[in-house]
Amino acid sequence: SQQGEEDPQALSIQEGENATMNCSYKTSINNLQWYRQNSGRGLVHLILIRSNEREKHSGRLRVTLDTSKKSSSLLITASRAADTASYFCATLLSSNAGGTSYGKLTFGQGTILTVHP
Amino acid sequence: KAGVTQTPRYLIKTRGQQVTLSCSPISGHRSVSWYQQTPGQGLQFLFEYFSETQRNKGNFPGRFSGRQFSNSRSEMNVSTLELGDSALYLCASSLLGSPNTEAFFGQGTRLTVV
Repeated sequence: SQQGEEDPQALSIQEGENATMNCSYKTSINNLQWYRQNSGRGLVHLILIRSNEREKHSGRLRVTLDTSKKSSSLLITASRAADTASYFCATLLSSNAGGTSYGKLTFGQGTILTVHP
Repeated sequence: KAGVTQTPRYLIKTRGQQVTLSCSPISGHRSVSWYQQTPGQGLQFLFEYFSETQRNKGNFPGRFSGRQFSNSRSEMNVSTLELGDSALYLCASSLLGSPNTEAFFGQGTRLTVV
């Protein structure tokens, strides 16, 4: 089963508005990463936040991580039509979660974001 | 710096056949991971290679195998194809594949089994 669950499954907003997507996970992690995917193409890496970090910014993106609640959020500010895509969170499990974590990202089901011009 | 290159981009195969997919990681990256993406199951981890050794493996049948060459390029093989193997296969490269290093994905190979 998927480690992460994302909420909402779909989000529809107008250009200029902010978009917030949430991700919850079940076991302790080394890091959490957010990716964007356009229409069945490859995944584009957006941001990585380590388990000892609480917030990270990159351009219009802001990611928070709450390890006590096992949750993360991705905020896209001043959204653009070009932000329309599916967004996935992915976790790299910590070694004490069982087994090796090398290279193994566990993905959520994703949030489909539609930004209307 | 060139990104992750996957070939071919599209493939149509018949049930029972086998297929080989190729992935060239970013120059200098030594870890390559493979993922299967389907509408029903989402993104699922297949396996990870580092310095020609498989370090990690997901829950897929033995029909799915892979290897990595000395130049870090990786291939994935699926034998005795089933209809359910139709999916987007993605590979990701990272410097070491260890915690706290980003993974960069290729555009994927879209496999259709008929």
